[in-house]
Amino acid sequence: DGGITQSPKYLFRKEGQNVTLSCEQNLNHDAMYWYRQDPGQGLRLIYYSQIVNDFQKGDIAEGYSVSREKKESFPLTVTSAQKNPTAFYLCASSARWGVNKYEQYFGPGTRLTVT
Amino acid sequence: AQSVTQLDSQVPVFEEAPVELRCNYSSSVSVYLFWYVQYPNQGLQLLLKYLSGSTLVESINGFEAEFNKSQTSFHLRKPSVHISDTAEYFCAVIDFNAGGTSYGKLTFGQGTILTVHP
Repeated sequence: DGGITQSPKYLFRKEGQNVTLSCEQNLNHDAMYWYRQDPGQGLRLIYYSQIVNDFQKGDIAEGYSVSREKKESFPLTVTSAQKNPTAFYLCASSARWGVNKYEQYFGPGTRLTVT
Repeated sequence: AQSVTQLDSQVPVFEEAPVELRCNYSSSVSVYLFWYVQYPNQGLQLLLKYLSGSTLVESINGFEAEFNKSQTSFHLRKPSVHISDTAEYFCAVIDFNAGGTSYGKLTFGQGTILTVHP
């Protein structure tokens, strides 16, 4: 089955530690996205990548970093510089061409708790 | 910049009652519109979308939404809800008039939690 996987589902870290969230897709999509979800605030875009080896900051990129070395993978690192990292993180992907090019497919999410 | 407003943060209804979840957006010139559904502790699933053509779009599970350009709205409706419709619903917009890196970017509303009671 084609889809997006995110691991782990739950992640716990101590304050001051960097942590990397995994996102893998086998949909052959060029574009990938990272969102942060907080209660009552909807989804906010952290970073996105339209193609391998290229990525752009979203609305709330401070304290986060990404890489896009492979088409299938778009890991997100939450650094110690992120002031309030506890949140639900969602990865998504979309095609760049065709009738469904603006339809984003989402992974199951990773809930990060930092204490 | 594009903004999306979902007017109700929570909507409680009884099973088999009709429901409307409201969504307004700020820019009307050239947009694509989406409704996504999220069940607890899961990712988002696309419910329906408006890209062009008929302003009334339908999903396979009985939801429908109507694109109203003059009122910049895309309200979601269902004539008879089921317990299994309990979830959070997000309205989202792609604004093609936003320049630079915002082109094609999805902007989400704050979400509406629909709770269906027996």
